[in-house]
Amino acid sequence: DAGVIQSPRHEVTEMGQEVTLRCKPISGHNSLFWYRQTMMRGLELLIYFNNNVPIDDSGMPEDRFSAKMPNASFSTLKIQPSEPRDSAVYFCASKFGHQNTEAFFGQGTRLTVV
Amino acid sequence: AQTVTQSQPEMSVQEAETVTLSCTYDTSESNYYLFWYKQPPSRQMILVIRQEAYKQQNATENRFSVNFQKAAKSFSLKISDSQLGDTAMYFCAFSVNNAGNMLTFGGGTRLMVKP
Repeated sequence: DAGVIQSPRHEVTEMGQEVTLRCKPISGHNSLFWYRQTMMRGLELLIYFNNNVPIDDSGMPEDRFSAKMPNASFSTLKIQPSEPRDSAVYFCASKFGHQNTEAFFGQGTRLTVV
Repeated sequence: AQTVTQSQPEMSVQEAETVTLSCTYDTSESNYYLFWYKQPPSRQMILVIRQEAYKQQNATENRFSVNFQKAAKSFSLKISDSQLGDTAMYFCAFSVNNAGNMLTFGGGTRLMVKP
């Protein structure tokens, strides 16, 4: 398996534009997580899905952020409209089962909003 | 709510020596898991070691071992025979055994291994 695949690796966009980050989890994994990493706040959980259903989105900073998981092999994180303070590295991670098994991370998307 | 605290923002160690990274956590749960993840400059998050709270024996993975003190809610990582490739950010993480099992991370410790 190729691991968790995120695209794009890097994204530069202008303030006010819509940004969509994409994630393909490892086949067979049924939990998916979106994290945001910044120098100031470290790694923050934004939202996680279990069997394609959002379980906890309390970490989503504001209504400008939305996430979907239309099927077991694809998820998106959308920011509309984007702001400079959204600049960060966004990670997607997936894992299998309800046990505390290892979460596998993608390589992240570095988002810069200018 | 669970919190994870790493009190050492930065540390350095000479190659071949031993270093210990600290982590404390706070939870009211009795059944949980603890993890150490490594993030090298490539940005990839890599699992280093994990510990089940119900196990008294400390986990060991080659040069990496933990000192798990459940009563003190402490989970430190010891790296023996440090290598240049160990240079990275290290994150302590906590997960409760419930549906979803989300990971809560500490703020990280930046480790520099010097030749």
